[in-house]
Amino acid sequence: GAVVSQHPSWVICKSGTSVKIECRSLDFQATTMFWYRQFPKQSLMLMATSNEGSKATYEQGVEKDKFLINHASLTLSTLTVTSAHPEDSSFYICSASPGQAGNGNQPQHFGDGTRLSIL
Amino acid sequence: AQKITQTQPGMFVQEKEAVTLDCTYDTSDPSYGLFWYKQPSSGEMIFLIYQGSYDQQNATEGRYSLNFQKARKSANLVISASQLGDSAMYFCAMREGRGNQGGKLIFGQGTELSVKP
Repeated sequence: GAVVSQHPSWVICKSGTSVKIECRSLDFQATTMFWYRQFPKQSLMLMATSNEGSKATYEQGVEKDKFLINHASLTLSTLTVTSAHPEDSSFYICSASPGQAGNGNQPQHFGDGTRLSIL
Repeated sequence: AQKITQTQPGMFVQEKEAVTLDCTYDTSDPSYGLFWYKQPSSGEMIFLIYQGSYDQQNATEGRYSLNFQKARKSANLVISASQLGDSAMYFCAMREGRGNQGGKLIFGQGTELSVKP
């Protein structure tokens, strides 16, 4: 089945540093990947749609310069949290789907998520 | 406006009994898909079941079934014969439209299910 790998699982770093999170589709190609953010006991909030070979589409209220997304290949999207601060601490999770994302009953397959803690 | 609504923040069910998790949605798009995901405390999102807006029959996957009432815009998840391992957060999600931009999911608030032994 479709497998999405996300790395790293945990990150603890100092305020002001930048953190890169990788999302890979292991056994399929994904022209589109999605990045979500989740606070404890809350729902997943879509941050942006990552498009291979073009600019990401950000949801309203998400800072583009803060959360840099790069989708350089059909199997890899990266999310970089720049100049991270404690309020950026959260659970970040990516998803992808084989084939054209909006067609049929293809579910989004999720990575295992990254727990980011900014001290 | 909230597009996906899960009104039950928490639910308890006795082991081996059935439980229904509620989900209502709002969309004007005739083409949409509804998904249920399970999220254990470890954080991963596990796909459970899918219902398409044009599907005539309710979806079923093992112990999971979806009570799809299109006119009422509800897509409730039914878990039969609950097991202790079913304890987790459950999210209802909707995908609108077609194409790559249509692939994104909008999630409900989630329901935390606890199965009692």
